[in-house]
Amino acid sequence: EVQLVQSGAEVKKPGESLRISCKGFGDSFSNYWIGWVRQMPGKGLEWMGLIYFRDSETKYSPSFQGQVTISADKSISTAYVQWGSLRASDTAMYYCVGAVHGNTWFDPWGQGTLVTVSS
Amino acid sequence: QSALTQPRSVSGSPGQSVTISCTGTSSDVGGYNYVSWYQQHPGKAPKLMIYDVSKRPSGVPDRFSGSKSGNTASLTISGLQADDEAGYYCCSYAPTYSFPYVFGTGTEVTVL
Repeated sequence: EVQLVQSGAEVKKPGESLRISCKGFGDSFSNYWIGWVRQMPGKGLEWMGLIYFRDSETKYSPSFQGQVTISADKSISTAYVQWGSLRASDTAMYYCVGAVHGNTWFDPWGQGTLVTVSS
Repeated sequence: QSALTQPRSVSGSPGQSVTISCTGTSSDVGGYNYVSWYQQHPGKAPKLMIYDVSKRPSGVPDRFSGSKSGNTASLTISGLQADDEAGYYCCSYAPTYSFPYVFGTGTEVTVL
C-alpha cells in the first residue's frame, strides 16, 4: 500500500520562508506524479501544481505560478513545496496527493500540513 | 480555467438517495471520461471515492455511484448513512488548460 506522509504543522511570520515536505512509502515513486493542493480555512480544494518524480517535470496552476516552488528528491521519494516570502493569506492546510503516471485520479493523499502565517 | 460548479449543499434522510452535480464545459467534464470524486470529513484529508466517471476503488461501498451526461457529472449516494455526512469534491482532467486538472467548488452533504 502506498502512503504519503507530510511534515508537521508550521507557524511562521509574514516575510519568512518555508519548505514543507511529502514523503512516499511503499512503492517506487519514480512513476508517480505528486500534486499539491491548498485548502484555506472553510474553503474548497485548489490545485497548486504537480511534479513528476521521474524527471521532475513540473506544472503550476496559474494562480500559484511564481508564488511557490515545487521540487522533488527522488532518491528519498520526497516532494516539496516552498515559499520565499510568506503572507498571511498563505495560512491554509496543504495536502500532497499522488497519481500513477497515466492515471487521472489522485490516491493516496497525505494527511495535510497546516501552515499558519501570523505576526 | 474556472472551478467546476457544484451545489453548495444537499441533504437527505438516512436511507434516502442524494445526487451531487458537477458542471463544467466541453473542455473539461464534457470532453473526457476522467472525472473523479473525493469525500472529505471535517478535519480529515480527502479520500478518493470514484474515478473515470463511474469506477469505484477497492473498499468504496457500492452505495456510491458516478455518471456523466454532457458537461455535467454526478455522484449519487444511495442508502444514505450518517457517516456519509461530509464534503464532496469533483475533479476533472482538462488537458487543454494551462493546468491539466480542475476541482469543483465542493458540496456539503447533510444527513438529516
